[in-house]
Amino acid sequence: GAVVSQHPSRVICKSGTSVKIECRSLDFQATTMFWYRQFPKQSLMLMATSNEGSKATYEQGVEKDKFLINHASLTLSTLTVTSAHPEDSSFYICSASTGGNTIYFGEGSWLTVV
Amino acid sequence: GDSVTQMEGPVTLSEEAFLTINCTYTATGYPSLFWYVQYPGEGLQLLLKATKADDKGSNKGFEATYRKETTSFHLEKGSVQVSDSAVYFCALSRGNEKLTFGTGTRLTIIP
Repeated sequence: GAVVSQHPSRVICKSGTSVKIECRSLDFQATTMFWYRQFPKQSLMLMATSNEGSKATYEQGVEKDKFLINHASLTLSTLTVTSAHPEDSSFYICSASTGGNTIYFGEGSWLTVV
Repeated sequence: GDSVTQMEGPVTLSEEAFLTINCTYTATGYPSLFWYVQYPGEGLQLLLKATKADDKGSNKGFEATYRKETTSFHLEKGSVQVSDSAVYFCALSRGNEKLTFGTGTRLTIIP
């Protein structure tokens, strides 16, 4: 079946640096990808919707200049956390749509900012 | 806005025990309801879904019924196995592929 791969699964970075998380659809083309994050004891919250070839749509309260999303091809979307701070430490997970109302999720990425 | 509230974990059960994970939602209209499961080291996978009131979703021995009157979608399984150990997420959608999730419930089954 369809597979979405997310990389890295775990990353530790220093405060003030940037970190990039990749989301790839391995055997299908994804016109739309979604980025979620989950803080401890909270729900998975949608951060943004990423459409291939156009700007991402961010949910209310998500800083677009801090969380840069690039969906340059039909199989790859990247989330870059810029100038990361400890409060950005979280679980980030992507999902990709086949366009037929079927969604596949990546494995998720644990980000720790020290 | 829409929200999903699910039973806090972690939940630990013995093999062959009966499982219930509660899920209630707040939303106007008739959203679609889902249960996703995340096994260790893997992505979220759709476990089951229901798209209208009184629908029952089922898969792998798990069941959940869309109850409009109680705004609930509780997950049940009659006899759990060690391989069911995972994190379970309740979610709703309005058909636009955006999902509103609960917090997730970690389930551990001991032999």
